[in-house]
Amino acid sequence: DVKVTQSSRYLVKRTGEKVFLECVQDMDHENMFWYRQDPGLGLRLIYFSYDVKMKEKGDIPEGYSVSREKKERFSLILESASTNQTSMYLCASRGRATIYEQYFGPGTRLTVT
Amino acid sequence: SQQGEEDPQALSIQEGENATMNCSYKTSINNLQWYRQNSGRGLVHLILIRSNEREKHSGRLRVTLDTSKKSSSLLITASRAADTASYFCATELNTGNQFYFGTGTSLTVIP
Repeated sequence: DVKVTQSSRYLVKRTGEKVFLECVQDMDHENMFWYRQDPGLGLRLIYFSYDVKMKEKGDIPEGYSVSREKKERFSLILESASTNQTSMYLCASRGRATIYEQYFGPGTRLTVT
Repeated sequence: SQQGEEDPQALSIQEGENATMNCSYKTSINNLQWYRQNSGRGLVHLILIRSNEREKHSGRLRVTLDTSKKSSSLLITASRAADTASYFCATELNTGNQFYFGTGTSLTVIP
């Protein structure tokens, strides 16, 4: 079974802190994604990566950056956390072909106070 | 925005009944996928239908796609309490690798 893990289930940070959310997948997938999920807004794509060291902006990249130094790991970075970044963050991975589905991690619920 | 819209936002049915939820989208797609999310958890893939397919089945799930109307429906037959979850459609554009999720339908199956 494909496994996507996220470093924390729950995280509480203070405004202005630098926050790292880590995602690891074990299926050698080329594509990895970071979403945030908010009530009434569904999932919105922050960034995705289609290969090591490659990244593309999604719909809401402002305030975030990403890093993909190894194929299995995709990190989301909040350079200076703000209260409006309080959300559920979901990581996903997918194989190269477009017939494949995405596999999601369990999510990290981040609260910024 | 390409974001899909699910309808209804919430649905409550008795165990054993069928549940139907709909998804509409705005631009041409490569494929459409349905996912389920149990409360506070990640999403689990249910079924994928390609743009050249009209109907697909998987167990108690039946998905239809009407590209002329830019809409899809998910039917869950003989529902069970364990089907209680939120259901999302996701569209992938022809350009590939960007998925647009709807806001979801919250399904409650009453035992």
